[in-house]
Amino acid sequence: GAVVSQHPSRVICKSGTSVKIECRSLDFQATTMFWYRQFPKQSLMLMATSNEGSKATYEQGVEKDKFLINHASLTLSTLTVTSAHPEDSSFYICSAPQTGSGYGYTFGSGTRLTVV
Amino acid sequence: AQKITQTQPGMFVQEKEAVTLDCTYDTSDQSYGLFWYKQPSSGEMIFLIYQGSYDEQNATEGRYSLNFQKARKSANLVISASQLGDSAMYFCAFPFSGGYQKVTFGTGTKLQVIP
Repeated sequence: GAVVSQHPSRVICKSGTSVKIECRSLDFQATTMFWYRQFPKQSLMLMATSNEGSKATYEQGVEKDKFLINHASLTLSTLTVTSAHPEDSSFYICSAPQTGSGYGYTFGSGTRLTVV
Repeated sequence: AQKITQTQPGMFVQEKEAVTLDCTYDTSDQSYGLFWYKQPSSGEMIFLIYQGSYDEQNATEGRYSLNFQKARKSANLVISASQLGDSAMYFCAFPFSGGYQKVTFGTGTKLQVIP
């Protein structure tokens, strides 16, 4: 079945540094990738939608300059958290629609970011 | 705008018993789909079941079934013969209208299966 590989699974970084999270579609072409953020014991909140070859669409309230999203190819989408601060610590997860199925979504395994 | 409500923040169920997790939604669309996902403590999102609004029968996938009541706008997940491995967060999810689009997730229900 369709697989989205997300790396890293866990990352600890110092405040002020940047962190890049990658999501790769392994056996299908992901023209669209959704990026979610999840705080402990809360639901997934959509941050942005990336489309291959075009600018990402950000949800209201999400800082575009802080959360840089790039969708450089049909198999790779990246989220870069710039100048990370402790309040950016969260679980980030990507998801791609499964082309052809009409309704399926494949999720990455998630990245737990801790900013110290 | 679509809205999803899960009113049960936490549920307990005895092993081997059945449990129902509630989900109601609000939409003005005539054609739509609903998903249920399981999220164990590891964080991964596991697809469980899908229901289309025009599907004539309630969806079933192994031990998972949907009690879909379109008129009441509810899509409750029924897990039969609960197992210890079913302990997890469960999210009802609703795509925005117009094909496979960005998805809105409910607040989730934490299910704990008791031996």
